[in-house]
Amino acid sequence: AQSVTQLDSQVPVFEEAPVELRCNYSSSVSVYLFWYVQYPNQGLQLLLKYLSGSTLVKGINGFEAEFNKSQTSFHLRKPSVHISDTAEYFCAVKVQTSGSRLTFGEGTQLTVNP
Amino acid sequence: NAGVMQNPRHLVRRRGQEARLRCSPMKGHSHVYWYRQLPEEGLKFMVYLQKENIIDESGMPKERFSAEFPKEGPSILRIQQVVRGDSAAYFCASSLLSGGNTDTQYFGPGTRLTVL
Repeated sequence: AQSVTQLDSQVPVFEEAPVELRCNYSSSVSVYLFWYVQYPNQGLQLLLKYLSGSTLVKGINGFEAEFNKSQTSFHLRKPSVHISDTAEYFCAVKVQTSGSRLTFGEGTQLTVNP
Repeated sequence: NAGVMQNPRHLVRRRGQEARLRCSPMKGHSHVYWYRQLPEEGLKFMVYLQKENIIDESGMPKERFSAEFPKEGPSILRIQQVVRGDSAAYFCASSLLSGGNTDTQYFGPGTRLTVL
Protein backbone atom coordinates (compact mmCIF):
# COMPACT_ATOMS: atom_id res chain seq x y z
CA ALA A 1 0.00 0.00 0.00
CA GLN A 2 1.08 3.56 -0.57
CA SER A 3 0.94 6.51 1.80
CA VAL A 4 1.53 10.23 1.62
CA THR A 5 2.90 12.47 4.36
CA GLN A 6 2.62 16.20 4.26
CA LEU A 7 5.07 17.35 6.84
CA ASP A 8 3.48 20.68 7.70
CA SER A 9 -0.18 21.04 8.57
CA GLN A 10 -0.01 24.84 8.52
CA VAL A 11 2.36 27.21 6.76
CA PRO A 12 1.97 30.96 7.40
CA VAL A 13 3.97 33.29 5.15
CA PHE A 14 4.00 36.93 4.20
CA GLU A 15 2.96 38.14 0.78
CA GLU A 16 5.72 38.03 -1.87
CA ALA A 17 7.79 35.58 0.19
CA PRO A 18 8.83 32.22 -1.25
CA VAL A 19 7.13 29.08 0.01
CA GLU A 20 7.78 25.34 -0.02
CA LEU A 21 5.14 22.78 0.93
CA ARG A 22 6.66 19.40 1.66
CA CYS A 23 5.37 16.03 0.55
CA ASN A 24 6.88 12.59 1.02
CA TYR A 25 5.38 9.34 -0.16
CA SER A 26 5.85 5.67 0.46
CA SER A 27 5.20 3.03 -2.15
CA SER A 28 6.69 -0.29 -3.17
CA VAL A 29 5.83 0.36 -6.83
CA SER A 30 6.15 3.31 -9.18
CA VAL A 31 3.62 6.09 -8.73
CA TYR A 32 2.31 9.19 -10.39
CA LEU A 33 2.26 12.33 -8.23
CA PHE A 34 -0.17 15.21 -8.01
CA TRP A 35 -0.75 18.45 -6.17
CA TYR A 36 -4.29 19.77 -5.75
CA VAL A 37 -5.49 23.05 -4.23
CA GLN A 38 -8.74 23.49 -2.35
CA TYR A 39 -10.17 26.95 -1.72
CA PRO A 40 -12.67 27.34 1.13
CA ASN A 41 -15.91 25.44 0.53
CA GLN A 42 -14.88 24.41 -2.94
CA GLY A 43 -13.70 21.26 -4.69
CA LEU A 44 -10.14 20.36 -5.57
CA GLN A 45 -8.35 21.93 -8.49
CA LEU A 46 -5.36 20.26 -10.10
CA LEU A 47 -2.19 22.36 -9.74
CA LEU A 48 0.31 20.06 -11.42
CA LYS A 49 1.24 16.44 -11.94
CA TYR A 50 4.29 14.28 -12.50
CA LEU A 51 3.85 11.32 -14.80
CA SER A 52 7.31 10.85 -16.34
CA GLY A 53 10.18 12.77 -17.92
CA SER A 54 11.64 15.92 -16.42
CA THR A 55 11.56 15.83 -12.64
CA LEU A 56 10.76 19.54 -12.44
CA VAL A 57 7.11 20.10 -13.17
CA LYS A 58 5.49 23.48 -13.70
CA GLY A 59 1.85 24.05 -12.90
CA ILE A 60 -0.74 26.77 -12.80
CA ASN A 61 -0.56 29.99 -10.78
CA GLY A 62 3.26 30.01 -10.80
CA PHE A 63 3.66 26.80 -8.77
CA GLU A 64 6.25 24.14 -9.52
CA ALA A 65 7.27 20.85 -7.93
CA GLU A 66 10.29 18.61 -8.12
CA PHE A 67 10.14 14.84 -8.05
CA ASN A 68 13.01 13.29 -6.13
CA LYS A 69 12.92 9.53 -6.44
CA SER A 70 15.78 8.81 -4.05
CA GLN A 71 14.16 10.86 -1.31
CA THR A 72 10.62 9.86 -2.31
CA SER A 73 9.59 13.50 -2.21
CA PHE A 74 7.49 15.83 -4.34
CA HIS A 75 7.76 19.27 -2.73
CA LEU A 76 5.71 22.17 -4.03
CA ARG A 77 7.29 25.60 -4.42
CA LYS A 78 6.42 29.12 -5.42
CA PRO A 79 9.00 31.93 -5.49
CA SER A 80 6.58 34.71 -4.53
CA VAL A 81 3.13 34.12 -3.05
CA HIS A 82 0.01 36.25 -3.21
CA ILE A 83 -2.86 36.69 -0.77
CA SER A 84 -5.00 34.75 -3.22
CA ASP A 85 -2.81 31.66 -2.74
CA THR A 86 -4.30 31.17 0.71
CA ALA A 87 -5.86 27.71 0.53
CA GLU A 88 -5.45 24.05 1.51
CA TYR A 89 -2.95 22.11 -0.59
CA PHE A 90 -3.07 18.35 -1.00
CA CYS A 91 -0.39 16.05 -2.30
CA ALA A 92 -1.60 12.77 -3.83
CA VAL A 93 -0.18 9.64 -5.43
CA LYS A 94 -1.55 7.05 -7.78
CA VAL A 95 0.01 3.67 -8.38
CA GLN A 96 1.04 3.18 -11.99
CA THR A 97 0.30 -0.48 -12.25
CA SER A 98 -3.02 -1.09 -10.62
CA GLY A 99 -6.25 0.66 -9.80
CA SER A 100 -7.08 4.29 -10.18
CA ARG A 101 -7.55 5.57 -6.68
CA LEU A 102 -5.72 8.65 -5.48
CA THR A 103 -4.13 8.46 -2.04
CA PHE A 104 -4.04 11.87 -0.42
CA GLY A 105 -1.94 13.44 2.28
CA GLU A 106 -3.61 15.20 5.18
CA GLY A 107 -3.20 18.61 3.56
CA THR A 108 -1.24 21.79 4.27
CA GLN A 109 -3.06 25.01 5.01
CA LEU A 110 -1.13 27.87 3.39
CA THR A 111 -2.00 31.28 4.81
CA VAL A 112 -0.54 34.32 3.10
CA ASN A 113 -0.54 37.43 5.25
CA PRO A 114 -0.17 41.01 4.02
CA ASN B 1 -17.38 22.37 -21.24
CA ALA B 2 -19.03 22.14 -17.85
CA GLY B 3 -17.04 20.65 -15.04
CA VAL B 4 -18.05 17.93 -12.65
CA MET B 5 -21.42 18.76 -11.13
CA GLN B 6 -22.57 17.66 -7.71
CA ASN B 7 -25.86 18.24 -5.98
CA PRO B 8 -26.97 19.14 -3.54
CA ARG B 9 -24.09 21.30 -2.34
CA HIS B 10 -25.33 21.10 1.23
CA LEU B 11 -27.50 18.38 2.73
CA VAL B 12 -28.88 18.18 6.24
CA ARG B 13 -30.31 14.91 7.54
CA ARG B 14 -31.45 13.62 10.92
CA ARG B 15 -30.07 10.41 12.30
CA GLY B 16 -31.71 7.42 10.68
CA GLN B 17 -32.67 9.18 7.44
CA GLU B 18 -31.28 8.43 4.01
CA ALA B 19 -28.89 10.67 2.09
CA ARG B 20 -28.59 10.64 -1.70
CA LEU B 21 -25.70 12.46 -3.30
CA ARG B 22 -25.55 12.99 -7.05
CA CYS B 23 -22.62 13.45 -9.37
CA SER B 24 -22.64 14.27 -13.08
CA PRO B 25 -19.19 13.74 -14.62
CA MET B 26 -17.58 16.01 -17.15
CA LYS B 27 -18.88 15.62 -20.68
CA GLY B 28 -17.35 12.56 -22.30
CA HIS B 29 -16.08 11.10 -19.01
CA SER B 30 -17.30 7.64 -18.14
CA HIS B 31 -15.26 6.99 -14.99
CA VAL B 32 -16.40 8.29 -11.62
CA TYR B 33 -14.73 8.23 -8.22
CA TRP B 34 -16.13 9.13 -4.81
CA TYR B 35 -14.01 10.43 -1.94
CA ARG B 36 -14.92 11.44 1.61
CA GLN B 37 -13.28 14.25 3.55
CA LEU B 38 -13.87 14.17 7.28
CA PRO B 39 -13.33 17.40 9.23
CA GLU B 40 -9.67 18.37 9.46
CA GLU B 41 -8.59 15.37 7.37
CA GLY B 42 -7.52 14.62 3.82
CA LEU B 43 -9.65 12.90 1.23
CA LYS B 44 -10.17 9.15 1.47
CA PHE B 45 -11.09 7.02 -1.52
CA MET B 46 -14.46 5.29 -1.36
CA VAL B 47 -15.42 3.79 -4.71
CA TYR B 48 -14.58 3.79 -8.42
CA LEU B 49 -17.28 3.18 -11.00
CA GLN B 50 -17.65 2.96 -14.72
CA LYS B 51 -20.99 2.99 -16.49
CA GLU B 52 -23.13 0.24 -14.92
CA ASN B 53 -20.11 -1.30 -13.18
CA ILE B 54 -18.44 -0.99 -9.81
CA ILE B 55 -14.71 -1.40 -10.42
CA ASP B 56 -13.25 -0.86 -6.95
CA GLU B 57 -15.30 -0.43 -3.78
CA SER B 58 -12.56 -1.27 -1.32
CA GLY B 59 -12.93 2.10 0.42
CA MET B 60 -16.65 1.84 1.04
CA PRO B 61 -17.94 1.08 4.53
CA LYS B 62 -19.40 -2.42 4.58
CA GLU B 63 -22.85 -1.35 5.68
CA ARG B 64 -25.30 1.42 4.81
CA PHE B 65 -23.26 2.81 1.89
CA SER B 66 -23.87 2.02 -1.77
CA ALA B 67 -23.02 3.60 -5.11
CA GLU B 68 -24.22 3.28 -8.66
CA PHE B 69 -23.50 4.80 -12.05
CA PRO B 70 -26.34 3.88 -14.40
CA LYS B 71 -26.20 3.90 -18.16
CA GLU B 72 -28.23 7.11 -18.17
CA GLY B 73 -28.11 9.79 -15.51
CA PRO B 74 -25.76 10.77 -12.73
CA SER B 75 -23.79 8.64 -10.34
CA ILE B 76 -25.49 8.26 -6.96
CA LEU B 77 -23.88 7.74 -3.58
CA ARG B 78 -26.49 6.51 -1.13
CA ILE B 79 -26.15 6.43 2.62
CA GLN B 80 -28.90 4.67 4.53
CA GLN B 81 -29.73 5.29 8.19
CA VAL B 82 -27.21 8.09 8.54
CA VAL B 83 -25.31 8.61 11.79
CA ARG B 84 -23.47 11.66 13.07
CA GLY B 85 -20.14 10.14 12.03
CA ASP B 86 -21.27 10.34 8.39
CA SER B 87 -21.06 14.14 8.53
CA ALA B 88 -18.39 15.04 6.01
CA ALA B 89 -17.74 16.51 2.60
CA TYR B 90 -18.25 14.01 -0.20
CA PHE B 91 -16.39 14.69 -3.42
CA CYS B 92 -16.90 13.17 -6.80
CA ALA B 93 -14.23 13.12 -9.50
CA SER B 94 -14.35 11.97 -13.09
CA SER B 95 -11.77 10.98 -15.66
CA LEU B 96 -11.71 10.44 -19.39
CA LEU B 97 -9.39 7.51 -19.89
CA SER B 98 -9.80 3.93 -18.86
CA GLY B 99 -8.65 4.36 -15.32
CA GLY B 100 -5.21 3.11 -16.16
CA ASN B 101 -2.03 5.08 -16.03
CA THR B 102 -2.29 8.65 -17.12
CA ASP B 103 -5.91 9.63 -16.49
CA THR B 104 -6.39 12.81 -14.51
CA GLN B 105 -9.23 13.09 -12.06
CA TYR B 106 -11.26 16.30 -12.09
CA PHE B 107 -13.18 17.09 -8.94
CA GLY B 108 -16.62 18.49 -8.32
CA PRO B 109 -17.42 21.13 -5.67
CA GLY B 110 -18.53 18.51 -3.17
CA THR B 111 -21.63 17.83 -1.10
CA ARG B 112 -21.38 18.78 2.53
CA LEU B 113 -23.51 16.41 4.58
CA THR B 114 -24.51 17.36 8.09
CA VAL B 115 -26.25 14.78 10.27
CA LEU B 116 -28.15 16.22 13.20
